[in-house]
Amino acid sequence: GAVVSQHPSWVICKSGTSVKIECRSLDFQATTMFWYRQFPKQSLMLMATSNEGSKATYEQGVEKDKFLINHASLTLSTLTVTSAHPEDSSFYICSASVKQGWGSNQPQHFGDGTRLSIL
Amino acid sequence: RKEVEQDPGPFNVPEGATVAFNCTYSNSASQSFFWYRQDCRKEPKLLMSVYSSGNEDGRFTAQLNRASQYISLLIRDSKLSDSATYLCVVTYSGTYKYIFGTGTRLKVLA
Repeated sequence: GAVVSQHPSWVICKSGTSVKIECRSLDFQATTMFWYRQFPKQSLMLMATSNEGSKATYEQGVEKDKFLINHASLTLSTLTVTSAHPEDSSFYICSASVKQGWGSNQPQHFGDGTRLSIL
Repeated sequence: RKEVEQDPGPFNVPEGATVAFNCTYSNSASQSFFWYRQDCRKEPKLLMSVYSSGNEDGRFTAQLNRASQYISLLIRDSKLSDSATYLCVVTYSGTYKYIFGTGTRLKVLA
């Protein structure tokens, strides 16, 4: 159980293009989804926390107008990188979790990641 | 001081060795703890949750020490396939805040 699917797994596109990445929880309802970015040989960096039916919470330094997040259902969150530029090239990973009661968090389950290359 | 700290390594160990990593956390309100492994250019995969009483899964043993605020991961009889980066994750009571350590890199050598 606890499978998270992310699509696409690899994107190569021209500078200025907008890219949409989907994250789906396949066998559970994800009240919360997370979007991370990871540069080569660096740690995971949390970009935003996405809650179903409400606005995403962005981490400091992450432009909300640049990285649009939509969490329209309990099984789907999308990240759109608008007008992507070469510096946006990175490994983008989503994860999902279900909160079990007050104060007890389930582990996050990660999608396969999307490797984004902007030319 | 970082909220969650790990020795980045790398830990280079021969096959069959036993190796242990620690992860310290600074906030005593931390509620849940997990170990993940991440292979190069791949997503993190959940290795095991860490329970207060400690838990074991095959060659892997996780322990929690609340008094000293650290969790540990012990790997027995290391295999080449254990080579990866091991991430500890700490979450706080009543929030969706998950804090990742920067990871400890393990290389198991033939």
